[in-house]
Parts: sequence; C-alpha cells; structure tokens
Amino acid sequence: DGGITQSPKYLFRKEGQNVTLSCEQNLNHDAMYWYRQDPGQGLRLIYYSQIVNDFQKGDIAEGYSVSREKKESFPLTVTSAQKNPTAFYLCASSIGTALAYGYTFGSGTRLTVV
Amino acid sequence: GQQVMQIPQYQHVQEGEDFTTYCNSSTTLSNIQWYKQRPGGHPVFLIQLVKSGEVKKQKRLTFQFGEAKKNSSLHITATQTTDVGTYFCAGPHFNKFYFGSGTKLNVKP
Repeated sequence: DGGITQSPKYLFRKEGQNVTLSCEQNLNHDAMYWYRQDPGQGLRLIYYSQIVNDFQKGDIAEGYSVSREKKESFPLTVTSAQKNPTAFYLCASSIGTALAYGYTFGSGTRLTVV
Repeated sequence: GQQVMQIPQYQHVQEGEDFTTYCNSSTTLSNIQWYKQRPGGHPVFLIQLVKSGEVKKQKRLTFQFGEAKKNSSLHITATQTTDVGTYFCAGPHFNKFYFGSGTKLNVKP
C-alpha cells in the first residue's frame, strides 16, 4: 500500500542534542511538507519542498533544517537551536502543490525533550 | 500573513445531536479543504471545496463554501461516537496551506 512512513513514532532528545526525524513516501508525490502541532493547536508549517534538491522555509523554520536529496525522502533535523522542540511533528505530501489536492499525512513523531 | 480562523475551539454534544464548525478567512480563498484528526492520530483529508456557494455531502457530513469564498462550514447531522476528533479547515496562500486551529468534537454516548 502506498503511504507516508514517519519514524520513529516517539523520540526523546536531551538538551543541546540534534535529532533527525525520518519521512519516506512511496506515493510518487512531488511535494512534501513538515508541520508542527502543539497540544490543542493547529498545524504550523516548518519547511516544504516542491521538487528534489529544493525546499523553502515555512512560518517557523528557525531551529530546524531539512534536505530533499530524493523524491521519496524529506528528513527533518531538529537542532539544538530550537528552544522548545517538544511537539508532535507531522510530515505530509501532495501530488502537486496541494492547492488542488489534499495532503496525505504520516502518522507523526512525538518529540520530547528530557 | 494568511489567517484562517476556526470556531468553536471545543464542542461537546450528546450522541444524536448535530454539530457545526465554522472557518473564516481574512482573504478570498481559491479553495478550502477539511481534515479530521482522531485522538492520537494524524489529520486525514476529507474534502475540498472550490466553487463559490458550493455544497458537498458525505453521508452525515455537509460542507459549504461561502458565496464570497471567505468562509466555510462543516455540519454533522446526528453525531455518533465515531465522529469524535478534531476538525481542521485549511486554506491556500501561495504554495502553502494554512490550517485553522481546529474544532475539537466530543460526543457523549
């Protein structure tokens, strides 16, 4: 079955540590996105990529980095510069720019700073 | 930037009662999308509305897009416990979608 796989499901990070969240899709979608969700809140866009080797900052990119070396993969690194990283991270993809098509979301990664 | 406001934030209903959530944009939208997120889960795409005044139905769910394409609503008739979750609207701005803060629906059996 086609879909988006995020790993790990739960992640614990120590202060000052960088961690990388994995996102892989086999839907042959061009565009991929990273969102952050805090309890009781909506989704805020971190980074997005519409094509391989290209990506743009979203609204809350500070303290995060991404890469898009392959169409299928869009990993997110949460760096030590992100002051409040504890959140639910969702990866999504869409056929085009999602303006005409809905997003398909992965099951998410819950990141906790310990 | 683009603002998509959603109300109410929470709604508690008795099973069998109706439920409505509203989404308002500060600017005209080319389209609007609705998602459902079950507790502990991830958002799932429900529908997209494109035309002014458009109404679409999915079983007990009715989606409307305002005439001015600045607002939208999702109405659930005769709620069931399976409807529990958070409903989000999302509107596009350039190449990105902005999500509303969501309406969390709780259904008491």
